[in-house]
Amino acid sequence: DAKTTQPPSMDCAEGRAANLPCNHSTISGNEYVYWYRQIHSQGPQYIIHGLKNNETNEMASLIITEDRKSSTLILPHATLRDTAVYYCIVRKVRDNYGQNFVFGPGTRLSVLP
Amino acid sequence: GAVVSQHPSWVICKSGTSVKIECRSLDFQATTMFWYRQFPKQSLMLMATSNEGSKATYEQGVEKDKFLINHASLTLSTLTVTSAHPEDSSFYICSAPFLATGELFFGEGSRLTVL
Repeated sequence: DAKTTQPPSMDCAEGRAANLPCNHSTISGNEYVYWYRQIHSQGPQYIIHGLKNNETNEMASLIITEDRKSSTLILPHATLRDTAVYYCIVRKVRDNYGQNFVFGPGTRLSVLP
Repeated sequence: GAVVSQHPSWVICKSGTSVKIECRSLDFQATTMFWYRQFPKQSLMLMATSNEGSKATYEQGVEKDKFLINHASLTLSTLTVTSAHPEDSSFYICSAPFLATGELFFGEGSRLTVL
């Protein structure tokens, strides 16, 4: 079972920041938080991951709360091409992926013109 | 960055025939690859773990004789759907871990339609 909970859907206006929350209240100290997205009829695309510090790359920023029980993925200037299902996944640092990399239902983000 | 490629991206076949889907890691070696199945409006479900040089391990409920997996080299895993039936119609996705960064890269997916 997925160890994260996300809202099933969100809307965001084009050009505005999209803030996607994820709850992982049972996360343990050696588990990373990963974010992927899946555009319709494509394979999932890696976005970002982090352990406890906030992370930023060319796609997004990841904000992890101090207690690590939740995180927020931020797309700073959403475009129509960011419309996708976003998955938040937790994984132990040294675990193999496979069974330990479980996709929940994710959040369906719709970026509106 | 690391790339995983699948082929074909879509295939239509008649019931009873077999279909092979290839998954390649293009610029890195992958001793392990993963195969997922995704039905419409559902999330990805892990089917099996492909291990280079040894037998694949299958998740509960996945028939190993129906979904044959071969991991013949460090860059190629294949999934063969044998004697396909309409209920096997689905989106099949593979992935491979890039150990240097801890990222799991996914192929583009292969959409199988069995008539």
